Amino acid sequence: NAGVTQTPKFRVLKTGQSMTLLCAQDMNHEYMYWYRQDPGMGLRLIHYSVGEGTTAKGEVPDGYNVSRLKKQNFLLGLESAAPSQTSVYFCASSRSRGGEAETQYFGPGTRLLVL
Amino acid sequence: GDSVTQMEGPVTLSEEAFLTINCTYTATGYPSLFWYVQYPGEGLQLLLKATKADDKGSNKGFEATYRKETTSFHLEKGSVQVSDSAVYFCALSVRNTGKLIFGQGTTLQVKP
Repeated sequence: NAGVTQTPKFRVLKTGQSMTLLCAQDMNHEYMYWYRQDPGMGLRLIHYSVGEGTTAKGEVPDGYNVSRLKKQNFLLGLESAAPSQTSVYFCASSRSRGGEAETQYFGPGTRLLVL
Repeated sequence: GDSVTQMEGPVTLSEEAFLTINCTYTATGYPSLFWYVQYPGEGLQLLLKATKADDKGSNKGFEATYRKETTSFHLEKGSVQVSDSAVYFCALSVRNTGKLIFGQGTTLQVKP
């Protein structure tokens, strides 16, 4: 049981390049989330998904796209990377919403540097 | 909108000192409240949580009580260890959405 895994761990991009971050969970969770973490700002929600085939915008969605083609995977895409997207990206998943099931489980993070 | 405010860090303590990290929140309705911990180079882990007013969450010697009247969820530990050095995040769950709103995080450094 690996929990939540993220690929890659670290990446350097040039401005304008594209890339996809992969998140996978083996806990059969319905809900999945992408956050970015910046110094002094905590974690901010980029996009989330409440089930296979669904996605929704979070607090800071601009410049990112997501897809949830399989229940266990949640992909975050950057079509044209900008230096402002330099950050640490965390994926999380949860069983459901509300009550005891709402605890989110986090991956180890992906550190992205955009030059 | 909903928000979480934590005390500014970093907090530097000597081993065996008493720890308090303040957290207050603004929310419509009655959210669940969480403390997550992030050790260096790792993702966030759930430390404790409380789902209704007056509930006390506890884990690994840490405690926090859900205070509706003061909209607070302060984290406490009676005797910190060097291994407690980490960043601590307070968060609330927006009811019926599954979304978490995080505070900015408080860095704790414990010196031997």
